[in-house]
Amino acid sequence: EAQVTQNPRYLITVTGKKLTVTCSQNMNHEYMSWYRQDPGLGLRQIYYSMNVEVTDKGDVPEGYKVSRKEKRNFPLILESPSPNQTSLYFCASSPRTASNEKLFFGSGTQLSVL
Amino acid sequence: AQSVTQLGSHVSVSEGALVLLRCNYSSSVPPYLFWYVQYPNQGLQLLLKYTTGATLVKGINGFEAEFKKSETSFHLTKPSAHMSDAAEYFCAVSDSGNTGKLIFGQGTTLQVKP
Repeated sequence: EAQVTQNPRYLITVTGKKLTVTCSQNMNHEYMSWYRQDPGLGLRQIYYSMNVEVTDKGDVPEGYKVSRKEKRNFPLILESPSPNQTSLYFCASSPRTASNEKLFFGSGTQLSVL
Repeated sequence: AQSVTQLGSHVSVSEGALVLLRCNYSSSVPPYLFWYVQYPNQGLQLLLKYTTGATLVKGINGFEAEFKKSETSFHLTKPSAHMSDAAEYFCAVSDSGNTGKLIFGQGTTLQVKP
């Protein structure tokens, strides 16, 4: 089944403890992206990647890192999480980087930073 | 810069009634417009998109939207609401820089009453 898989689904952590949220897609998509969803703000892009080893900042990149060493994986790294990073995170992918492409979303990771 | 405004964070309709979710956009270039739906505890799924051509776009589950350039609107409609339509709906516009980024509205939660 074609899908975007994120793990974990739920995560509670404490301020300053490094964490990684994994994202993997099995559709051979070139483009991958991370969004965070906050009430009243919709979804905002954190980082994106147009292909392997090509990543760039989105609208809210502060406090996050990403890597794209393989086409299928695009992990999101929080080196020193803070409470303002408590949010619902979504990974998404599309076949290519194009303005008219459909995004395929993972099921989300609910992160709470205490 | 592109932006999206969804009018009404919560909309409540009775089962069988018309569904109308409003979306207005701002774009410096001809826009690509999307509606996504998010069911509880799931990721976002594409309902429909407008790229070029016919301004009335039909999507899944009986939804449709009409692109009105003069009104900078892309409202989502469904003639008859079903209980299963209860979800959060997001309107989005593509970023003009061909980064693959979507700029989302704040979201509208649709409640369907029996």
